[in-house]
Amino acid sequence: KAGVTQTPRYLIKTRGQQVTLSCSPISGHRSVSWYQQTPGQGLQFLFEYFSETQRNKGNFPGRFSGRQFSNSRSEMNVSTLELGDSALYLCASSYGLAGGETQYFGPGTRLLVL
Amino acid sequence: AQSVTQPDIHITVSEGASLELRCNYSYGATPYLFWYVQSPGQGLQLLLKYFSGDTLVQGIKGFEAEFKRSQSSFNLRKPSVHWSDAAEYFCAVGAWSGGYNKLIFGAGTRLAVHP
Repeated sequence: KAGVTQTPRYLIKTRGQQVTLSCSPISGHRSVSWYQQTPGQGLQFLFEYFSETQRNKGNFPGRFSGRQFSNSRSEMNVSTLELGDSALYLCASSYGLAGGETQYFGPGTRLLVL
Repeated sequence: AQSVTQPDIHITVSEGASLELRCNYSYGATPYLFWYVQSPGQGLQLLLKYFSGDTLVQGIKGFEAEFKRSQSSFNLRKPSVHWSDAAEYFCAVGAWSGGYNKLIFGAGTRLAVHP
């Protein structure tokens, strides 16, 4: 099976711009979660989507949003970028049906905001 | 509140030496526990996980971890470290509540391996 893929891998934006990141889960997985990784805050949960519905959201401002399509692919959007949004954004997929399931991570998108 | 603590930010060991990375968690119910490894510029790779049964869990690359409920710990061990094990290691607890699934990560332990 192909793994989780994320595009683009690297991105440079300026403050005030918006950005869209894409994640394609492992075939058959219906849950996609997004995480932000920074040196200062570590790995933080952004949100999870399952069957096109957001099931849970972490403690991030409304500038961070996401969606999921019928083929389980997911996108996250960050509007009005701030310097502090520079981070590695990771998505993970799983079946999303029960606790204890392994979440499989993609390679991440590294975002630099100038 | 759910949380994961990895007390050691950075550990250096010699190649061939044994390794133990510490992880303590706080979670109200029976936890689902994971260890992931991240090489520079890469995503996270699952090493092993615990969700029930035998408290000693075997993983990939020769790693194992032991769940100790009384100590709220899930320490990762390897009997003989290889240079390729240099990476950052994350312990996580899986929260399954109200029909959603998320991971709560520790701050990570960066492992350096001396030849």
